[in-house]
Amino acid sequence: DAKTTQPTSMDCAEGRAANLPCNHSTISGNEYVYWYRQIHSQGPQYIIHGLKNNETNEMASLIITEDRKSSTLILPHATLRDTAVYYCIGTGRRALTFGSGTRLQVQP
Amino acid sequence: DTGVSQNPRHKITKRGQNVTFRCDPISEHNRLYWYRQTLGQGPEFLTYFQNEAQLEKSRLLSDRFSAERPKGSFSTLEIQRTEQGDSAMYLCASSPETDGDQYFGPGTRLLVL
Repeated sequence: DAKTTQPTSMDCAEGRAANLPCNHSTISGNEYVYWYRQIHSQGPQYIIHGLKNNETNEMASLIITEDRKSSTLILPHATLRDTAVYYCIGTGRRALTFGSGTRLQVQP
Repeated sequence: DTGVSQNPRHKITKRGQNVTFRCDPISEHNRLYWYRQTLGQGPEFLTYFQNEAQLEKSRLLSDRFSAERPKGSFSTLEIQRTEQGDSAMYLCASSPETDGDQYFGPGTRLLVL
């Protein structure tokens, strides 16, 4: 699995876009970038994943740089319910390797 | 609710006792995973099943741990002779064969006294 580096914590104002960065400079060509989040005392929740192209779904957008060494998860209009730990994972395996993630605090 | 369910949600046991946890995956998912999460850390992979076959085990899964998925549906995770270091949240996830997205259950929180 690729080693990923994320900021320990970030704040975002409610209603604004939250941009969560992730570095994965060792990612190999067949490894996907996955994002999960974990709200306090719950199991992780899948958000989005991508290989090369940018991806968008009803929850978020994923922007992957052309060299695939980094990516950004965008929550377009953050709400208080988006307060959680966000995990970036680079993997081609079935098993997910979670790091420490970014603790996002959405402020009212 | 058609999500992944886990039972019990909480378990308190004394050191040396055996405990067993159950996971019921989403019904059409043939892949099932177990993870462990300690306070302040991300989840750590333990083992993975495709149908009833256990295809991968982490080195974290010591001899005291055993997981089964006898009919390719629900799974059990047993810990024998529990130790205080086994105190953690045990998470189960499932995924369909054609999709890598894993859907997690709410977890079983184990406290070993």
